[in-house]
Amino acid sequence: DVKVTQSSRYLVKRTGEKVFLECVQDMDHENMFWYRQDPGLGLRLIYFSYDVKMKEKGDIPEGYSVSREKKERFSLILESASTNQTSMYLCASRSTKGGGETQYFGPGTRLLVL
Amino acid sequence: AQKVTQAQTEISVVEKEDVTLDCVYETRDTTYYLFWYKQPPSGELVFLIRRNSFDEQNEISGRYSWNFQKSTSSFNFTITASQVVDSAVYFCALSATSGTYKYIFGTGTRLKVLA
Repeated sequence: DVKVTQSSRYLVKRTGEKVFLECVQDMDHENMFWYRQDPGLGLRLIYFSYDVKMKEKGDIPEGYSVSREKKERFSLILESASTNQTSMYLCASRSTKGGGETQYFGPGTRLLVL
Repeated sequence: AQKVTQAQTEISVVEKEDVTLDCVYETRDTTYYLFWYKQPPSGELVFLIRRNSFDEQNEISGRYSWNFQKSTSSFNFTITASQVVDSAVYFCALSATSGTYKYIFGTGTRLKVLA
């Protein structure tokens, strides 16, 4: 079974703090993704990574950065957290082999910025 | 432009009723994939099915079935004899080969199954 884990299920931070969200997958997938999910807005892509040390901006990258130093780990960084970054953050991974298109998601991190 | 529309925001049914969740998509690509995911209250998106654009066969998995019709650009999901555990938000998604990294998600349909 594909396993995608995220470092925290719930997180409370203060405005201005630097926040790290970690995602780890155990299936040797090349691609990894970070989304945020907000009521009424659905899932929006923040950043994705084709492979190690490769990253591309998604639809809403402002205020975020990412790091992919190892294939299994993809980190989302909020350089200076703001209240409008309160959201559910979902990580996903996907293999590029065999035409596989399926993204597998982690359990999500609910972030509250006070 | 690529788009996925789930027009039903919320559906409530009584246990054991059948329910169909609609998904309509738009793409100009001839090769694409369609997906359904379930998001229970715990928050994790659980993969249910993937269908590629060349395979229009309907699929049945237990109480779940999917009807893919290219002629109407629809990929509908039916739950037969619904159960309380089916209560969740269901997302339909499109992945077209012209933007292979990107999923286009619908806004989701919240299904409430009442005992």
